[in-house]
Amino acid sequence: AQTVTQSQPEMSVQEAETVTLSCTYDTSESNYYLFWYKQPPSRQMILVIRQEAYKQQNATENRFSVNFQKAAKSFSLKISDSQLGDTAMYFCAFILSTPQGGSEKLVFGKGTKLTVNP
Amino acid sequence: DAGVIQSPRHEVTEMGQEVTLRCKPISGHDYLFWYRQTMMRGLELLIYFNNNVPIDDSGMPEDRFSAKMPNASFSTLKIQPSEPRDSAVYFCASSKPGTNEKLFFGSGTQLSVL
Repeated sequence: AQTVTQSQPEMSVQEAETVTLSCTYDTSESNYYLFWYKQPPSRQMILVIRQEAYKQQNATENRFSVNFQKAAKSFSLKISDSQLGDTAMYFCAFILSTPQGGSEKLVFGKGTKLTVNP
Repeated sequence: DAGVIQSPRHEVTEMGQEVTLRCKPISGHDYLFWYRQTMMRGLELLIYFNNNVPIDDSGMPEDRFSAKMPNASFSTLKIQPSEPRDSAVYFCASSKPGTNEKLFFGSGTQLSVL
């Protein structure tokens, strides 16, 4: 079974600084996707960034980027120029890719609560 | 598109009562997932459907929980009888194969069982 581990229950950062959230996962499969989701106090789950395991290039979305280390099964999220609106729970998630292109179970880590301080 | 629609947004009930949570997935999405979020356990997958058929219900905690998807545009998660430990946020999500496995989440139902 696939597992996702986020070892940092809580983190804080000063506005405009950079912060990195850690995530490791365990799987014996080679084709999968990794995600970071953001959950602000509104409770809405928002997709922040996605990485396909077959791609060596790290995904980036504006101020958000990942460091994907497939051999180490590590998938960290870097937030640059942190903003107050980045305050939220951040979940790392994993999903297997099926040959049919279907969706399997999305497995989540326990989350990291990030607070951006003014 | 209106996105995944869940109702109610909040539900408060007393122990022993039946609770029904509802979900309307995005039109054209073949997969529908029910997740439960608690502080202690995080986000847990309860059950998911493909083309209205339940594929994996191994996450359903016990027989008090049941889920149905009578058609492509509607699903329910029912708890009968409810217990205080069922208090959580329940999310519904849907996805369409070929869209890079992207899940679209509803806004969740906050369930409180007193």
